[in-house]
Amino acid sequence: GQNIDQPTEMTATEGAIVQINCTYQTSGFNGLFWYQQHAGEAPTFLSYNVLDGLEEKGRFSSFLSRSKGYSYLLLKELQMKDSASYLCAVRDSNYQLIWGAGTKLIIKP
Amino acid sequence: GAVVSQHPSRVICKSGTSVKIECRSLDFQATTMFWYRQFPKQSLMLMATSNEGSKATYEQGVEKDKFLINHASLTLSTLTVTSAHPEDSSFYICSARALAWMTDTQYFGPGTRLTVL
Repeated sequence: GQNIDQPTEMTATEGAIVQINCTYQTSGFNGLFWYQQHAGEAPTFLSYNVLDGLEEKGRFSSFLSRSKGYSYLLLKELQMKDSASYLCAVRDSNYQLIWGAGTKLIIKP
Repeated sequence: GAVVSQHPSRVICKSGTSVKIECRSLDFQATTMFWYRQFPKQSLMLMATSNEGSKATYEQGVEKDKFLINHASLTLSTLTVTSAHPEDSSFYICSARALAWMTDTQYFGPGTRLTVL
């Protein structure tokens, strides 16, 4: 079966760094996505990785290792507004997005 | 990033009525759009994949006669919830696939919160 695993909830301090991990087992791989979703709102696109390595975009970075079926989202200089759920999704061989259940990130002052 | 709009953002209706939700890609053409449903504190659930000019592909367990999808143009897809019941109350979100050089990404609309009384 297809499976995306990410922690259910994480807590971090304002100004700190947090890493949200995602492991996947899918039938084929055509890219991995990270989305941010605030409560009551639709997801917003954060990053897309299709090749191994680190993609940096401002305070957010995303890493991919296809051989390990592993990705992480790194958030630096955390702000209170970063409190949200972070969704990992993998596009499989049928170009379908397989979604993780999301990681709820709680930022404390 | 690409912009996707969704209308209405919120709708309350009586049981037995039909509700139409529109999804538009504003600054790009989307040959493929997706419809999701999300219940409180749960992850996204894909309902159907909509391809312009052809019939939608529904996920297992989603009734195609209840959730009518039309993708009449490259920028518009509609979801009609027919004979809505309280258990259909949910957050419905569409996304559109944007293809560009070296990227193939889905962008989400803001969602429609449906409440069926």
